[in-house]
Amino acid sequence: EAGVAQSPRYKIIEKRQSVAFWCNPISGHATLYWYQQILGQGPKLLIQFQNNGVVDDSQLPKDRFSAERLKGVDSTLKIQPAKLEDSAVYLCASSPLAGWGEQYFGPGTRLTVT
Amino acid sequence: KNEVEQSPQNLTAQEGEFITINCSYSVGISALHWLQQHPGGGIVSLFMLSSGKKKHGRLIATINIQEKHSSLHITASHPRDSAVYICAVLDQGAQKLVFGQGTRLTINP
Repeated sequence: EAGVAQSPRYKIIEKRQSVAFWCNPISGHATLYWYQQILGQGPKLLIQFQNNGVVDDSQLPKDRFSAERLKGVDSTLKIQPAKLEDSAVYLCASSPLAGWGEQYFGPGTRLTVT
Repeated sequence: KNEVEQSPQNLTAQEGEFITINCSYSVGISALHWLQQHPGGGIVSLFMLSSGKKKHGRLIATINIQEKHSSLHITASHPRDSAVYICAVLDQGAQKLVFGQGTRLTINP
């Protein structure tokens, strides 16, 4: 079974630029999560999708972050414009169960904003 | 105070030692996860438990719901066990997964 795929693995941008991350969850997994992990901290949930609907985006900074999951499969997370404090690893995870079953994580995208 | 506290934050041990990482939480939970994160960011789910004890190979996870405490044990530790171990709880009320800050484990040969 293929795991959760993410791209790119690394990205360096200047502040005020835009960036997009892509996630392909495990086939058949209904739930998809985007997390932000700042160095030395645990992951923080940004947004949770159930199929193509948003379940929880309460911690997503909506003035600059956006995410979509078209057709309930792949998802993209965008930051526009980026700030220095957005430097982090962005993790995508998926789960086969509706709700909070065991989650499978992708390798993450390490973003550096200079 | 964080809802999920892990101790120690950093742990260095010699190969073969018995390792214990602790997790305490302050909210009512539906489940608790132990995750392993290697350098480079990838996270692997080790255990999901809501009561008692689970064992996979050299890894053992226990949880005491009354005391709001969980432990992850590694027997016969090996350098390849070096990673960050993260405890995460499913907050029953908020229905959110809340993560601890992680414990960085280094096993020296």
